[in-house]
Amino acid sequence: DSGVTQTPKHLITATGQRVTLRCSPRSGDLSVYWYQQSLDQGLQFLIQYYNGEERAKGNILERFSAQQFPDLHSELNLSSLELGDSALYFCASSAHAPASYEQYFGPGTRLTVT
Amino acid sequence: TQLLEQSPQFLSIQEGENLTVYCNSSSVFSSLQWYRQEPGEGPVLLVTVVTGGEVKKLKRLTFQFGDARKDSSLHITAAQPGDTGLYLCAGGGSNYKLTFGKGTLLTVNP
Repeated sequence: DSGVTQTPKHLITATGQRVTLRCSPRSGDLSVYWYQQSLDQGLQFLIQYYNGEERAKGNILERFSAQQFPDLHSELNLSSLELGDSALYFCASSAHAPASYEQYFGPGTRLTVT
Repeated sequence: TQLLEQSPQFLSIQEGENLTVYCNSSSVFSSLQWYRQEPGEGPVLLVTVVTGGEVKKLKRLTFQFGDARKDSSLHITAAQPGDTGLYLCAGGGSNYKLTFGKGTLLTVNP
């Protein structure tokens, strides 16, 4: 158990809908990272937050957004969902400020768009 | 864009055999991490190497970072069924973003 929690575990929704994925980092970790994993693209970095502020952006679509709250949990919002958004979404956290290469991953949310 | 290529993509071996998987790039990385991922779960960090030529051992697993910090290898001695999983390498860039390879899917048959 990495100490990173993610909810929900599974999510099934229809095209065009909006969903919110939630992540709680390990106790004391200030940085949160979001990743998307699909069979053809592998694990892709989406976005990083450090202590409530956006720190780095990767291949995140404009339809996706994220935020980190004062209690350090983070949410990833996916809107106008398309079939191609079906994937595993992982959150990771790290201990060192402002970021660290050693990231600890949550169990993921499996999103299925039908 | 920094890319990491892992080889082989798939590897199926018998229990007790040795194996090596590779992670290669044309880019220099500040660090290199290896993760193991089991189906339906998140990647689990195995090791971080930061110095060119560095070798780290974790029980039957030996990790090496290339001298030029562009490549890495993972060697497993006497593989066991519990070693089965997806092995991912990840390179750390100057802005702490990790670039992941697509992984090597290892199956160790009893």
